[in-house]
Amino acid sequence: DVKVTQSSRYLVKRTGEKVFLECVQDMDHENMFWYRQDPGLGLRLIYFSYDVKMKEKGDIPEGYSVSREKKERFSLILESASTNQTSMYLCASSSRTSGNEQYFGPGTRLTVT
Amino acid sequence: QKEVEQNSGPLSVPEGAIASLNCTYSDRVSQSFFWYRQYSGKSPELIMSIYSNGDKEDGRFTAQLNKASQYVSLLIRDSQPSDSATYLCAVISAYSGAGSYQLTFGKGTKLSVIP
Repeated sequence: DVKVTQSSRYLVKRTGEKVFLECVQDMDHENMFWYRQDPGLGLRLIYFSYDVKMKEKGDIPEGYSVSREKKERFSLILESASTNQTSMYLCASSSRTSGNEQYFGPGTRLTVT
Repeated sequence: QKEVEQNSGPLSVPEGAIASLNCTYSDRVSQSFFWYRQYSGKSPELIMSIYSNGDKEDGRFTAQLNKASQYVSLLIRDSQPSDSATYLCAVISAYSGAGSYQLTFGKGTKLSVIP
């Protein structure tokens, strides 16, 4: 079974803090994704990576950056957290050799106060 | 902007009935389609993928694809209260390079199965 893990299930941070969200997958997937999910807005893609050290912007990259130094690990960084970044953050991974099916981690519910 | 549309619901069905969830998409060249189930407070879980026109069955779930009509559906037979969740439709969209693709997700249909 595909296993995608995220570093925290719940996180509370203050405005202006630098926040790191980490995602690890154990299936040797090439592709990794970061989404945020908000009521009424659905899943929105922040950034994705299709190879180590490769990254591409998704639909809402502003205020975020990412890092992928190893194939199994994809980090999302909030450079200076703001209250409008309070959300559920979901990491996913997929393999281009198995239909690009995406498998999600359990999510991190981030609250910025 | 590629779009995936779903009726937000809630869709209420009695226990034991067939639940029918529908999804339309705007990109005619899409080739791969997925259904995810998401329980409240949890992350999406992949339950079906379909790539060819017609029906694909897996247990109580049947995915139906009609590329000419740009329509994909999910049928849940013998619905159970444990099927109560939000169901997300996802469609392959942008090509990301090196054989990888992004998915575009619908906003989901909330299903409630009444005992």
